[in-house]
Amino acid sequence: SQELEQSPQSLIVQEGKNLTINCTSSKTLYGLYWYKQKYGEGLIFLMMLQKGGEEKSHEKITAKLDEKKQQSSLHITASQPSHAGIYLCGAGSYGGSQGNLIFGKGTKLSVKP
Amino acid sequence: NAGVTQTPKFRVLKTGQSMTLLCAQDMNHEYMYWYRQDPGMGLRLIHYSVGEGTTAKGEVPDGYNVSRLKKQNFLLGLESAAPSQTSVYFCASSRTSGGIRQYFGPGTRLTVT
Repeated sequence: SQELEQSPQSLIVQEGKNLTINCTSSKTLYGLYWYKQKYGEGLIFLMMLQKGGEEKSHEKITAKLDEKKQQSSLHITASQPSHAGIYLCGAGSYGGSQGNLIFGKGTKLSVKP
Repeated sequence: NAGVTQTPKFRVLKTGQSMTLLCAQDMNHEYMYWYRQDPGMGLRLIHYSVGEGTTAKGEVPDGYNVSRLKKQNFLLGLESAAPSQTSVYFCASSRTSGGIRQYFGPGTRLTVT
């Protein structure tokens, strides 16, 4: 079965610093999704990547999918306290047609003012 | 549009009690999902539905039942709650499968004592 591994598990950065979160799949990714979760709340959709080499940006967050479609990275530039939360990567179930996602265990980000 | 809503937001049950969690979406989505989120485990799929009147098992279906009598609603039932079912439950919906974003509800925090 397909698994997604996220690294690091947790991260504490000083406000204004850049950071990167990685998501590695055991199989080729067919759609990679990045979500953000604040404690006690639901998941907020950030970005979806599908093509090898694809890169998308939203405000200060950039996500990339590598050419082999087995790894994605999420990069935050000049972090702010509002970026704090849990970042989850999700991927379409390998070979599945039902559309459900499998998720990594999440990366907890704390930003110190 | 309200998007995906979940009822209730919090619930405490005693072992052996039963309850139903309600998920509603107003986006006319075909696909609906129930996930549970546990510390260190990420999100795991319990059951899903690809259309009105259909349901299927996900990764961790034991102890749960679901029904999709109306397209907009997806119910998750616990017939005899166990402490192992203490978790945060998320409902999601999507238009179709394959490269389509899932929309998540705010979650239900369930404690079984």
